Amino acid sequence: GQSLEQPSEVTAVEGAIVQINCTYQTSGFYGLSWYQQHDGGAPTFLSYNGLDGLEETGRFSSFLSRSDSYGYLLLQELQMKDSASYFCVQAAGNKLTFGGGTRVLVKP
Amino acid sequence: DTGVSQDPRHKITKRGQNVTFRCDPISEHNRLYWYRQTLGQGPEFLTYFQNEAQLEKSRLLSDRFSAERPKGSFSTLEIQRTEQGDSAMYLCASSLGGRQLSTDTQYFGPGTRLTVL
Repeated sequence: GQSLEQPSEVTAVEGAIVQINCTYQTSGFYGLSWYQQHDGGAPTFLSYNGLDGLEETGRFSSFLSRSDSYGYLLLQELQMKDSASYFCVQAAGNKLTFGGGTRVLVKP
Repeated sequence: DTGVSQDPRHKITKRGQNVTFRCDPISEHNRLYWYRQTLGQGPEFLTYFQNEAQLEKSRLLSDRFSAERPKGSFSTLEIQRTEQGDSAMYLCASSLGGRQLSTDTQYFGPGTRLTVL
């Protein structure tokens, strides 16, 4: 089957670093994406990892280890606007599966 | 506005009624996806089109749900004999498909919020 595990909630202060882990169990795995969703908004694409290693996009980085069936999203220099839900997403075959989401709350 | 649009944004219906939602993807995008999202959960994949072909349909999708993309442009999602459990946000996304589904960047519409009374 296909399932993704990620923590339900993380709280941090402005300027801090947050790491959101995602573990997956699937066959036919191609890669892992990350999406951000603010309350009341639509999901927006953040990052994609098709190969092992780190992908960096500004303050956000994403990592994948296929051997460990594990990835993470790293949020650096947290800002209040980063308060949102973050989803890891996997594609296998013709199906896309979103994780349950990690709600990040940034405090002043 | 060249983003993904969905219509209507909100729909309130009585149990047992049929409803139809429309999605207009970004014009050059060949892939279109439908998801359902309930409060506090991630989007749940429903179905996916490449051009006009429906390539995948979730096993979670009952026979009351049907989707079409007749000309490979806009898509409709119909729910027949609605139930209270169908209440959710229905999201549409589109992408310019590459070789693999996983490499696509999906662009989501604002969603249609369905409330079944």
